[in-house]
Amino acid sequence: DQQVKQNSPSLSVQEGRISILNCDYTNSMFDYFLWYKKYPAEGPTFLISISSIKDKNEDGRFTVFLNKSAKHLSLHIVPSQPGDSAVYFCAENSNSGYALNFGKGTSLLVTP
Amino acid sequence: GAGVSQSPSNKVTEKGKDVELRCDPISGHTALYWYRQSLGQGLEFLIYFQGNSAPDKSGLPSDRFSAERTGGSVSTLTIQRTQQEDSAVYLCASSSRGTGANVLTFGAGSRLTVL
Repeated sequence: DQQVKQNSPSLSVQEGRISILNCDYTNSMFDYFLWYKKYPAEGPTFLISISSIKDKNEDGRFTVFLNKSAKHLSLHIVPSQPGDSAVYFCAENSNSGYALNFGKGTSLLVTP
Repeated sequence: GAGVSQSPSNKVTEKGKDVELRCDPISGHTALYWYRQSLGQGLEFLIYFQGNSAPDKSGLPSDRFSAERTGGSVSTLTIQRTQQEDSAVYLCASSSRGTGANVLTFGAGSRLTVL
């Protein structure tokens, strides 16, 4: 059973508006969650992470929110730009192992 | 090198043939990972090497899959007697162990097509 779930396979947002990408998880024993961004024919690239002791982390236009009671995290992109169009993966870094467990990804399309 | 290099970038093979995929990680990174992404799927963990420790092979889907890492650097993923369901993009990543989140740096991947 998948430990990290991204239930929305795709999302379309207008340029300048907010994009909200969601992720749910089942394993409470984790150290960090990470978000990666992937363009076609390229490898995933690291975007932002959040520690289990935080509920928010911000880096420029990107903010990740963690709700531990709901086992839910979200990535907010404000304002969205056409170059943000990509597949976004959330990943869990649990303290029981060092490999990352990834969700299936959400494809974001930002339209002009 | 500056990034993670993978070769070949594309490989088309016939069912039943063996294939080898190569990964050259970032110099100095002690950890190396193989993942694969099948069509419409997420990133599936395959195997993880950390220094001189025994590799974590828990993600390998069958005994047709194996990987080795020579000299703590370059890694080769071998798939024997390929099947059509092995068609996927195989991604290699490396990281350096330290404090904070374990940030993996990925290569561009090797796209395998089994006919």
